[in-house]
Amino acid sequence: DQQVKQNSPSLSVQEGRISILNCDYTNSMFDYFLWYKKYPAEGPTFLISISSIKDKNEDGRFTVFLNKSAKHLSLHIVPSQPGDSAVYFCAASAIGSYIPTFGRGTSLIVHP
Amino acid sequence: DTGVSQDPRHKITKRGQNVTFRCDPISEHNRLYWYRQTLGQGPEFLTYFQNEAQLEKSRLLSDRFSAERPKGSFSTLEIQRTEQGDSAMYLCASSPGYEQYFGPGTRLTVT
Repeated sequence: DQQVKQNSPSLSVQEGRISILNCDYTNSMFDYFLWYKKYPAEGPTFLISISSIKDKNEDGRFTVFLNKSAKHLSLHIVPSQPGDSAVYFCAASAIGSYIPTFGRGTSLIVHP
Repeated sequence: DTGVSQDPRHKITKRGQNVTFRCDPISEHNRLYWYRQTLGQGPEFLTYFQNEAQLEKSRLLSDRFSAERPKGSFSTLEIQRTEQGDSAMYLCASSPGYEQYFGPGTRLTVT
């Protein structure tokens, strides 16, 4: 049973436009959420996170939105750049736990 | 370079052999994690150390897998009597808090 779901395996976006990656979770005990980016032949790289006490966190071109009632979060990348092409993983940790559960990832391709 | 390093990067072994992987975390991080990742999946938690103490192991982890972190520094992950289903990328990560910093992984192929 997947507790963190990324239902879109892939997403294609034009350079300069907005990329929106979605993530849903089922465990109501999750209270800390993270996004990681992974290039081929490398380990995942931490991108941005959000605590359940917030509904938005922004870092440069990256913004994460959290909708607790819907158990949904999204990562917005504006403007998208070809170098953003990678696999993006959503992850969530439960209250008091430092062990995240990862989704299966969404492959983002940004076309020049 | 003060990132997380893993050795070897690639390992090909025959079924039934034992393999050992090493992870050197970021030195000031007290938490260390091992994950397994297969194609089309996210990292799957295997085990977690805080300093030298192994605090949690996945219930999915076979007893053929063992991990150590002597003196709270580097860590090793050993797989005994490897099976073809063990073929995967093995990732190590270290962390000072919630955010994890991953190494490049060790790709294991069991033939």
